[in-house]
Amino acid sequence: RKEVEQDPGPFNVPEGATVAFNCTYSNSASQSFFWYRQDCRKEPKLLMSVYSSGNEDGRFTAQLNRASQYISLLIRDSKLSDSATYLCVVTTQGNTPLVFGKGTRLSVIA
Amino acid sequence: DTAVSQTPKYLVTQMGNDKSIKCEQNLGHDTMYWYKQDSKKFLKIMFSYNNKELIINETVPNRFSPKSPDKAHLNLHINSLELGDSAVYFCASSPHRNRNGAAKNIQYFGAGTRLSVL
Repeated sequence: RKEVEQDPGPFNVPEGATVAFNCTYSNSASQSFFWYRQDCRKEPKLLMSVYSSGNEDGRFTAQLNRASQYISLLIRDSKLSDSATYLCVVTTQGNTPLVFGKGTRLSVIA
Repeated sequence: DTAVSQTPKYLVTQMGNDKSIKCEQNLGHDTMYWYKQDSKKFLKIMFSYNNKELIINETVPNRFSPKSPDKAHLNLHINSLELGDSAVYFCASSPHRNRNGAAKNIQYFGAGTRLSVL
């Protein structure tokens, strides 16, 4: 079983749509959780951290379910500029390397 | 002011050559990393250094040798390049603690070095 699993997509959605991505992780010792965004031929950039109680940043909402080892990202009112690959990322304590999922590709269409 | 900078951005070379990729961060971070992103876009850790000391060395051929002259630099030297080494290599860094004192391990990535071995 892969450490971090995501549906690779692609998700093709119209502007204004709501889209949700899911991710599962296998290491129960994981402590920190993130969503990173990677544009084509660019580096990954942090989109948001994911907290146990769930958190929201504008149009983006992240949820964590530790019991099920499941993370989600919801994007509301999709914009063309949201088109990218969304990487689910987990890590254990301290400055340990990030473990990346393979990413879910999103294309927002006008 | 680029926070994590890598050079070169593109590297095209022949099989068997030796090449280096340089990475510098001006964020004052303690920990630096090298990741490899292969043709299937899978991003995987290669090495991790904390204050110039190697702390993680994943299953990477010993043709790959990281060097950290100081905590702001982590260079990657590759000997006897092979076709399978073609990939994008990303350098990253993270602080020991964030401003609130929590080790949140948020990592900042360089723009990547696209290596093509012919």
